[in-house]
Amino acid sequence: EPEVTQTPSHQVTQMGQEVILRCVPISNHLYFYWYRQILGQKVEFLVSFYNNEISEKSEIFDDQFSVERPDGSNFTLKIRSTKLEDSAMYFCASSEEHTFSNYNEQFFGPGTRLTVL
Amino acid sequence: DAKTTQPPSMDCAEGRAANLPCNHSTISGNEYVYWYRQIHSQGPQYIIHGLKNNETNEMASLIITEDRKSSTLILPHATLRDTAVYYCISGYSTLTFGKGTMLLVSP
Repeated sequence: EPEVTQTPSHQVTQMGQEVILRCVPISNHLYFYWYRQILGQKVEFLVSFYNNEISEKSEIFDDQFSVERPDGSNFTLKIRSTKLEDSAMYFCASSEEHTFSNYNEQFFGPGTRLTVL
Repeated sequence: DAKTTQPPSMDCAEGRAANLPCNHSTISGNEYVYWYRQIHSQGPQYIIHGLKNNETNEMASLIITEDRKSSTLILPHATLRDTAVYYCISGYSTLTFGKGTMLLVSP
């Protein structure tokens, strides 16, 4: 069964450093998403991406964050200058195209645990 | 903020049906009701969704009230592996997770 994969599974970085989290969505999917979950808290939407551009983003997704689909298979989340409060589990998800009359479920990856020291 | 309310926790005996309620009284006409679950810090997993009609798949059944203000997810024969946080979400495509219901299935 196809699945979303994420690398690395755990990333440790120093405050102020840049990190890139990588995701390989399911191959025929067109919508891509990033979510985060701070330990013990809710899963929070960050951004959705479709047709090579951001389609929606939350207040959390500020100028420190960016997303890219560099080569047609990978989907990356970059945090330019990490802060302590960026420590969280980051989940990538993908789905087929949504239409008004047809919802396509999001498939989530296993997550990358980011620890900022 | 999430537009749904769910009980924080529920218990269920293994082999029995688990009925998880959700209130979504502010749902609008074209918004779906989705259910996802998260098993111990893994990525959330889709279970089922509905718009107006009741739905059933290999994992669960979804019963939506006629006024669409509430719904119930039914796991017909809960197993220990169904222990997870269950999220009821209303919306179109973006998922806004709440705190969900922690379902504990015990022997």
